[in-house]
Amino acid sequence: DAGVIQSPRHEVTEMGQEVTLRCKPISGHDYLFWYRQTMMRGLELLIYFNNNVPIDDSGMPEDRFSAKMPNASFSTLKIQPSEPRDSAVYFCASSSQTETQYFGPGTRLLVL
Amino acid sequence: DQQVKQNSPSLSVQEGRISILNCDYTNSMFDYFLWYKKYPAEGPTFLISISSIKDKNEDGRFTVFLNKSAKHLSLHIVPSQPVDSAVYLCAASLNDYKLSFGAGTTVTVRA
Repeated sequence: DAGVIQSPRHEVTEMGQEVTLRCKPISGHDYLFWYRQTMMRGLELLIYFNNNVPIDDSGMPEDRFSAKMPNASFSTLKIQPSEPRDSAVYFCASSSQTETQYFGPGTRLLVL
Repeated sequence: DQQVKQNSPSLSVQEGRISILNCDYTNSMFDYFLWYKKYPAEGPTFLISISSIKDKNEDGRFTVFLNKSAKHLSLHIVPSQPVDSAVYLCAASLNDYKLSFGAGTTVTVRA
């Protein structure tokens, strides 16, 4: 069974550009989580969905960040416009009615 | 506000010996705790977990101990192997499926 799939694995963009990160959760999982990892703040939860509905977006840093989950097998995290301080590794994770979350490989974002 | 703390950023241990990783938390309402292992350029991988109603859980070479009165948990790896060299992340949950993570401890197992 395929794990959580994220794309792209690496993204380099210029300040002001729109960035879209993609995630495909494990089939059958009804929870999806977006995390950001930085040296300063470690791994922090941005937003999570249950059955495609956003439940808690209190970790989203600014209005420049938005996330959607149009169906059970796809989610996006969008940053518009991007800034250099958004440079980080972004992880997507999914779970099925348990606290055990399964993480994707991450997207390493660099905003110049 | 960091609710889960891993105060040792690194640990070096000889192959075959025991590795002990520590984690402290501040929120007494946490009721589920997990350890994740992370290799460079990969996502965290679930290792072992423990419910707050237990004080010990064992899975092969890995054992997690929970001391609720001290708000402390530890992960024991016995015996340590080179493949265990990684970053270990402690996490806690409030029964709402959200996880709060510690900063991690980098373990190096020397041959």
